[in-house]
Amino acid sequence: SQQGEEDPQALSIQEGENATMNCSYKTSINNLQWYRQNSGRGLVHLILIRSNEREKHSGRLRVTLDTSKKSSSLLITASRAADTASYFCATEETGANNLFFGTGTRLTVIP
Amino acid sequence: EAQVTQNPRYLITVTGKKLTVTCSQNMNHEYMSWYRQDPGLGLRQIYYSMNVEVTDKGDVPEGYKVSRKEKRNFPLILESPSPNQTSLYFCASKFNRNNQPQHFGDGTRLSIL
Repeated sequence: SQQGEEDPQALSIQEGENATMNCSYKTSINNLQWYRQNSGRGLVHLILIRSNEREKHSGRLRVTLDTSKKSSSLLITASRAADTASYFCATEETGANNLFFGTGTRLTVIP
Repeated sequence: EAQVTQNPRYLITVTGKKLTVTCSQNMNHEYMSWYRQDPGLGLRQIYYSMNVEVTDKGDVPEGYKVSRKEKRNFPLILESPSPNQTSLYFCASKFNRNNQPQHFGDGTRLSIL
């Protein structure tokens, strides 16, 4: 398996600021997905970007994908205290149906 | 409400005592999967199932069994649990097509003493 790697491992920002998290992976992919996990809870799907897409928006979330660099970024704009959580990228590899998760970025938004 | 339900949510047990964690989904999803989550290691896939009676190993299948007799259920079986299986376990499901998100249960925290 080829797990993604998120960067940074932890991020602390003030409410209202933007938060950017990065993900790198190693293989050819069908899509890349971002999930959120509140402490000790299940993962919630945020956004899926296909390999032929370069950018996608959903509310305050913006995701980019650069398949030539095998990297993605998740931008959360105008952060809120409620955005405090861990964020994971996951890749669905070409020809496979499974997801491979990174180790996550722990985001803390200070009110 | 569309959901993936795991039971139990918490379990403390002893080495060698067989246990089963149940997982049920009400979304008619073909694909189901089990993950374990450990600090610093992210989520690792244990087993997955593409459809009824079709199961396959993930990255860390040792010490686990699964079955898929019905579409909605995908139990995880630990025949002889050991302390290194202490972890947070998640069940997930999705439609069996590319570019579909997975839906996760709330997790089961297992402690094997």
